[in-house]
Amino acid sequence: DTEVTQTPKHLVMGMTNKKSLKCEQHMGHRAMYWYKQKAKKPPELMFVYSYEKLSINESVPSRFSPECPNSSLLNLHLHALQPEDSALYLCASSPRGGREDDGYTFGSGTRLTVV
Amino acid sequence: AQSVAQPEDQVNVAEGNPLTVKCTYSVSGNPYLFWYVQYPNRGLQFLLKYITGDNLVKGSYGFEAEFNKSQTSFHLKKPSALVSDSALYFCAVRDLSGTYKYIFGTGTRLKVLA
Repeated sequence: DTEVTQTPKHLVMGMTNKKSLKCEQHMGHRAMYWYKQKAKKPPELMFVYSYEKLSINESVPSRFSPECPNSSLLNLHLHALQPEDSALYLCASSPRGGREDDGYTFGSGTRLTVV
Repeated sequence: AQSVAQPEDQVNVAEGNPLTVKCTYSVSGNPYLFWYVQYPNRGLQFLLKYITGDNLVKGSYGFEAEFNKSQTSFHLKKPSALVSDSALYFCAVRDLSGTYKYIFGTGTRLKVLA
């Protein structure tokens, strides 16, 4: 298995809803990432988990809450989002955390719309 | 500060012709350079990387990139473009200041015309 699987593919949520995005990989990768991508822009790093510990939080608002239950799973819990949070949310993984020469494997993303 | 520039928002090329997507970088020290491709409504796919060694790096789908230290460039190339190569291409450099996160360029949309 050489994929990163993200669910759901599309999500529409109201500003008062609570929802979660899920990401799963079975490649034995020990680093996992959440990125946010707005249309026609490069991805922006949100969080990094390395060996199941949160190692980087790029000053993301607390309405986004990451969770790494085990080495294969990464969740992003969403609460009280704003319309400007609408974007493509990408999960990625790499074999080792903190390695500058590792390429990433990205999932196909969750297209989130906040209404 | 480390940075990556992709000077062209869009590149158009006829099918069968060679293609080049440009990338220049600014880093202190040795650069770790990457190219990713993104098809519509999909995540990014790793194409190739330069860490050290030969200046010509070969990657997936027939793509290659040439590292030029004197010009601080890492242009992506393919000898013969396919319509299916039409996508958004991102050049990236690794931040070596401690976080190892990617610094992405702004992306270049490649359009291959039949």
